[in-house]
Amino acid sequence: GQNIDQPTEMTATEGAIVQINCTYQTSGFNGLFWYQQHAGEAPTFLSYNVLDGLEEKGRFSSFLSRSKGYSYLLLKELQMKDSASYLCAVRWWGGGSYIPTFGRGTSLIVHP
Amino acid sequence: DAGVIQSPRHEVTEMGQEVTLRCKPISGHNSLFWYRQTMMRGLELLIYFNNNVPIDDSGMPEDRFSAKMPNASFSTLKIQPSEPRDSAVYFCASSPRSSGGNSYEQYFGPGTRLTVT
Repeated sequence: GQNIDQPTEMTATEGAIVQINCTYQTSGFNGLFWYQQHAGEAPTFLSYNVLDGLEEKGRFSSFLSRSKGYSYLLLKELQMKDSASYLCAVRWWGGGSYIPTFGRGTSLIVHP
Repeated sequence: DAGVIQSPRHEVTEMGQEVTLRCKPISGHNSLFWYRQTMMRGLELLIYFNNNVPIDDSGMPEDRFSAKMPNASFSTLKIQPSEPRDSAVYFCASSPRSSGGNSYEQYFGPGTRLTVT
């Protein structure tokens, strides 16, 4: 089966940098996504990695190491509005199709 | 673009009743996904369609759940009979099929919050 692990909760200070880690064990790996979900809202796409390395997009960056089954989401210059749940999701090839599997999410609390 | 549209936004029903959730994907998207989210189990994939054809329904909990996609612009998820443990937020998401970049990025609808008493 597929297994995705990420911390349940993290706290950080406004203006700081935070790194949210995600480890996975999967066969047929075909990409890793990060989504942001504010309380009571739908997940929204943040980033996608399929090759090793760092993808940067504004204040957010995502890193992938396929050999280690490891990814992280880096949030810089934290703002209060960044308080949300961050979901790591792996897409894998199984049974003749691509299948997305989500982690349980990391609840990030940003305080002043 | 209106985004993914789901209805109803909230549904409260009694155990044993039939519940039908509806979804309209973003025009031009070829893939549609149904998810269920609870505090205990997180976001779980129930079923997904490519070009209106069900591809993977291994996440459908049991025979009480069924999903259809009669055309490219409409899908339903039906629960019959409903049970209290089905209470959750049900999300529909759609995804374009394109090469490279953010291909397969999913766009989520606002969700339907289902409460079964």
